[in-house]
Amino acid sequence: DAKTTQPPSMDCAEGRAANLPCNHSTISGNEYVYWYRQIHSQGPQYIIHGLKNNETNEMASLIITEDRKSSTLILPHATLRDTAVYYCIVRYFTSGTYKYIFGTGTRLKVLA
Amino acid sequence: DTGVSQDPRHKITKRGQNVTFRCDPISEHNRLYWYRQTLGQGPEFLTYFQNEAQLEKSRLLSDRFSAERPKGSFSTLEIQRTEQGDSAMYLCASSSERGMAEAFFGQGTRLTVV
Repeated sequence: DAKTTQPPSMDCAEGRAANLPCNHSTISGNEYVYWYRQIHSQGPQYIIHGLKNNETNEMASLIITEDRKSSTLILPHATLRDTAVYYCIVRYFTSGTYKYIFGTGTRLKVLA
Repeated sequence: DTGVSQDPRHKITKRGQNVTFRCDPISEHNRLYWYRQTLGQGPEFLTYFQNEAQLEKSRLLSDRFSAERPKGSFSTLEIQRTEQGDSAMYLCASSSERGMAEAFFGQGTRLTVV
């Protein structure tokens, strides 16, 4: 069963905000939500993480709902270089071990 | 370059052969992860080391797979008797005590089993 669910693809106009949602309804109370992105043919790159409060860094903002069942990654002014697959990741205890579960991700295309 | 490096970048092997991949993490990082990624899918967790100790191991890591991290430095991932289903990108990541908060991934080793 899917631990995180994300829309498979999204388009965003260059210069506009990109809002990428993630559902993680079975997250446990003390587990963080992490966001990574993967540009074609490269390894994933860390973006941001959070537990309960909203977080912001130089790359993005992360909004986590009060019940922690979903979150949204916000790229405030998307550029063409932000075109990538974005993964929402949560750690779960499953099949006898802790695992950081990547979903299938959202393929974001930033349009000129 | 002080990033995570993986070797080789590409490997083509015949079914039934053994292959070994190497990962050199960022030198001050004590945590090291291996993931496998197939086309169109997100990375799947394989195993995790803290220093030289292998602390977590996915059931995806069958008896044909083994990983080591001698002396808590570089790591190797070996696949014995390769099968076509093993064809994938094998990714290595390293981190400090912050774990997946700011883990750094290598470029990966792409394995093709023919």
